[in-house]
This record gives sequence, structure tokens and C-alpha cells, in this order.
Amino acid sequence: DADVTQTPRNRITKTGKRIMLECSQTKGHDRMYWYRQDPGLGLRLIYYSFDVKDINKGEISDGYSVSRQAQAKFSLSLESAIPNQTALYFCATRSNTEAFFGQGTRLTVV
Amino acid sequence: QKEVEQDPGPLSVPEGAIVSLNCTYSNSAFQYFMWYRQYSRKGPELLMYTYSSGNKEDGRFTAQVDKSSKYISLFIRDSQPSDSATYLCASEPGGNEKLTFGTGTRLTIIP
Repeated sequence: DADVTQTPRNRITKTGKRIMLECSQTKGHDRMYWYRQDPGLGLRLIYYSFDVKDINKGEISDGYSVSRQAQAKFSLSLESAIPNQTALYFCATRSNTEAFFGQGTRLTVV
Repeated sequence: QKEVEQDPGPLSVPEGAIVSLNCTYSNSAFQYFMWYRQYSRKGPELLMYTYSSGNKEDGRFTAQVDKSSKYISLFIRDSQPSDSATYLCASEPGGNEKLTFGTGTRLTIIP
């Protein structure tokens, strides 16, 4: 099993719909992150959490929300999806020296 | 200006060549530097991690950091087709904080 598992792997949704991306990890680390990746823009941080009670906004948090349900689970929600949220989304957890990424969720908003 | 700048490429080189990938950074607080490799349709994976100026070798890969000029490099010797991927540099002020990534360089090794 993968250390970081994201579901779904692919999703197409309509503008205005609410959608949740889920992430679970088996590494046992406290820190978890959500990034989006766009061509030419690289990986940009959306939200991060240092433990279950600690949630922080990243550089591009507008239009997104998160929930840290447990040490191992960190979900990302798009409250009302818009086309420019079409991107590849990655969840990650990390140790002191290494970040471990999931396989990514390819989200298309039409 | 992005805190970490990276030439997006694409870069194509013949098998066996030496590859040089480069990044610059602007935040003087950055102390830790990493290179991640990302294959198509996969998440990034850590390739190299370093925190000091100078060179760090791991097999065919060498990471080089020059803090005085804020320059980060990754060298790949004897490049192989399996090295074809996107390479992302990343930096952060201190361990266990927020990584700032470059945009990634797409590399293709031609057999």
C-alpha cells in the first residue's frame, strides 16, 4: 500500500458543485499538506496542518477549505468549484527531512 | 518575483550525457535545499537533500548549493532514459516547515 493515498484519482465536476478530495497517510507524521500543481506554476501550497488542532492557510487558500479528521486523514474541499480550479492536486506528509506525496488527484471543473 | 526560480525547459539530452539543472532563490532565510523527481502521472519523490554549501553526491547524482550566490544545482552523470522526468528544486527556512518549490524542469534523455 502507498504511504500517502489520495481519492479519487480523477474527477470531473461541474461549476458550482461542492467537491471533496480525501487523503490518508500511514507514515505516522503529524504534518500534512495540500498542494496544487499547474503547468508553468509548479507546486503551490493551499493549506497545511501541523497536528489535528492546527490548520493554516497556504499561499492560495481562497476557494478551498480543509478538515483534519485524524492524524492520518486530511481532506480538501472546494465549496463551489470554478474552472480555474482545474489542476492536479497533491497531498503530502513529511518528516524533518523529506516530504512524501500521494499520487495526485486530477480535477477538471467544467 | 518567485522565491525559487527554475528554468522550465524542456531539456533533451542524449543518453550518457551529463545533465545540469539549476535554480536560484531569493529568500536569505532558506537553509535547506532539496531536489524532487516527478515521473508522469506520479507524485514527486525526494532525490537529494542538503543543508550546507558545497556538493553532496549520491550515485550518479550531485547536488550543489552556493549560498553566497543563492544558486542550487543538480548534476546527473551518465544519464539514462529512466532519468526522464520533471525535476523540482525546493527550499525552506528551517526543518519541518513549508517547502517552496520551483516550477520544475522537464528532462528527456534520448536513447
